[in-house]
Amino acid sequence: EIVLTQSPGTLSLSPGERATLSCKASQSIGSRYLAWYQQKRGQPPRLLIYGASSRATGIPDRFSGSGSVTEFTLSISRLEPEDSAVYYCQHYYGSPPYTFGQGTKLEIK
Amino acid sequence: EVQLVESGGVVVQPGGSLRLSCAASGFTFDDYNMHWVRQAPGQGLEWVSGITWDGSSADYADSVKGRFTISRDNSEDSVYLQMSSLRTEDTAFYYCAKARRVGATFDYWGQGTLVTVSS
Repeated sequence: EIVLTQSPGTLSLSPGERATLSCKASQSIGSRYLAWYQQKRGQPPRLLIYGASSRATGIPDRFSGSGSVTEFTLSISRLEPEDSAVYYCQHYYGSPPYTFGQGTKLEIK
Repeated sequence: EVQLVESGGVVVQPGGSLRLSCAASGFTFDDYNMHWVRQAPGQGLEWVSGITWDGSSADYADSVKGRFTISRDNSEDSVYLQMSSLRTEDTAFYYCAKARRVGATFDYWGQGTLVTVSS
């Protein structure tokens, strides 16, 4: 089973700043089999990024994904208070299980 | 508008059984693979199971293999999760999720249904 480790656990930033979230895989997952989700309190997750760097429908260009092999990054520029949420990475490389990282909590103060 | 509506979550005793349902609308249901993802209260996400568009193939997390069965009825635009031999650690919100055409990424999610396993 591929293990995804996200860092940091919690990130506290101010509006207008840039957030950088990391997701590291325990083995290679290629260049495209990584997705990012945003989950706000009391809501289901929302797909942000698939294929490591492609934005899902309706996602603003402030959100961008990059990386390959075992190291991936979600960047959020010009932070807004509504970006406060927990962010999860998920791999879909090869056969199941399609594991998620443990999440990074982003606080906008 | 794509909608996924889960139902069937209740309080059940350890060792018990339960069937969750997910009714889909707003898209051509039998074109897409469907999945269940769960989240214990205050915890992270765990992929549980997935089924192909035609129901011909299914996969499971090791934690539920042999106890849970996923199925679908394309004539009813619904997907199901039959859960048996339930354990306290199965307590979670269970989300139904639609996969994109390519790859097991989930572009639409239901609001979830809560399963509580407790004596």
